[in-house]
Amino acid sequence: DAKTTQPTSMDCAEGRAANLPCNHSTISGNEYVYWYRQIHSQGPQYIIHGLKNNETNEMASLIITEDRKSSTLILPHATLRDTAVYYCIVTDYGGATNKLIFGTGTLLAVQP
Amino acid sequence: ETGVTQSPTHLIKTRGQQVTLRCSSQSGHNTVSWYQQALGQGPQFIFQYYREEENGRGNFPPRFSGLQFPNYSSELNVNALELDDSALYLCASSHQTSGSYEQYFGPGTRLTVT
Repeated sequence: DAKTTQPTSMDCAEGRAANLPCNHSTISGNEYVYWYRQIHSQGPQYIIHGLKNNETNEMASLIITEDRKSSTLILPHATLRDTAVYYCIVTDYGGATNKLIFGTGTLLAVQP
Repeated sequence: ETGVTQSPTHLIKTRGQQVTLRCSSQSGHNTVSWYQQALGQGPQFIFQYYREEENGRGNFPPRFSGLQFPNYSSELNVNALELDDSALYLCASSHQTSGSYEQYFGPGTRLTVT
């Protein structure tokens, strides 16, 4: 079972920041937080991941709380092409099988 | 750099038949994972192949089997198809390094079982 809880859906205005929350209250010390997204009729796409510190790349920023029980994915300037299902995944570090356990994710609808 | 490709794009089969789905991994990647995604659900892990051997399996029956070839491409075989096997089948490639869960997905094969 997925170790994360996410809202089912969210709306965001085009050009504004989209903040997608994720709860992972049972996360353990060696587990990372990964974010993927899936645009309709495509395969999932890796976005970003983190362990303790906040992370930023060309796509998004990841803010992890100090107790690591929750995190927020931030898309700084959402566009219509960011409309997708966003998955927050918690997974073991260094496991023999790097399988991803997906939940049902958050459907982000970016409105014009 | 060539991305992950899957074939065929769509497939219709009859209950009880067998099906083979194919995946070509991204250049430089040595690991292939397969996922099943039912409508409205997140992808579910089927199994993973590394160096031509199964390297982990999800909660799927033995009629789901796979292969990985020396060039790291892979096949997913499903025998005795059931109606519930209708889904999008996703292949993902990665490079097996400790702690990395960054996987690159193909566009998927949509399987319909009637």
